[in-house]
Amino acid sequence: KAGVTQTPRYLIKTRGQQVTLSCSPISGHRSVSWYQQTPGQGLQFLFEYFSETQRNKGNFPGRFSGRQFSNSRSEMNVSTLELGDSALYLCASSFSDYGYTFGSGTRLTVV
Amino acid sequence: EDQVTQSPEALRLQEGESSSLNCSYTVSGLRGLFWYRQDPGKGPEFLFTLYSAGEEKEKERLKATLTKKESFLHITAPKPEDSATYLCAVQGDGGTSYGKLTFGQGTILTVHP
Repeated sequence: KAGVTQTPRYLIKTRGQQVTLSCSPISGHRSVSWYQQTPGQGLQFLFEYFSETQRNKGNFPGRFSGRQFSNSRSEMNVSTLELGDSALYLCASSFSDYGYTFGSGTRLTVV
Repeated sequence: EDQVTQSPEALRLQEGESSSLNCSYTVSGLRGLFWYRQDPGKGPEFLFTLYSAGEEKEKERLKATLTKKESFLHITAPKPEDSATYLCAVQGDGGTSYGKLTFGQGTILTVHP
């Protein structure tokens, strides 16, 4: 059974640019959540999508957005990148809101 | 607002030396408490979900327990391969908790041979 797949694994961007990260959930999982992990703040919830609808959102600025497609794949976008956006971005999928499987993450470096 | 505090921040053990990690939490209504293991540069790996006070779960050398205010992860006779960061997270049962886990800062466990 394939796990949660995140692409790309590594990304280097310049301040002011925008970036799109992709997440393919486990087959059959309809819920996809996104998290930002930094050494200082730990794991912080960005947003959650279920059946193409955003059901929940964390306390991040509007530069962070996401969407989910009909096949449950999800993308998150960060516009006008700042140095502080450098982090490991993790996606997690769930079948029933009772267990969450994480991907390996995308390491974003903003220079 | 849900809160999770883990202690200690770091723990160094000798191989075979058993110990426990603590996770204290506050949540308006608990949907689930989760334990994950994370290796450097990788995503968190699921270990356990606990749903109600008094519940216990075991997997190999790990045992997780839950009370109304805290959870413990007991490690029996650890091996060097158990070295990792152990993360505790809670999910509330309100409508604003969809897909949202609130994580602690983690405990960095190092097991020396």
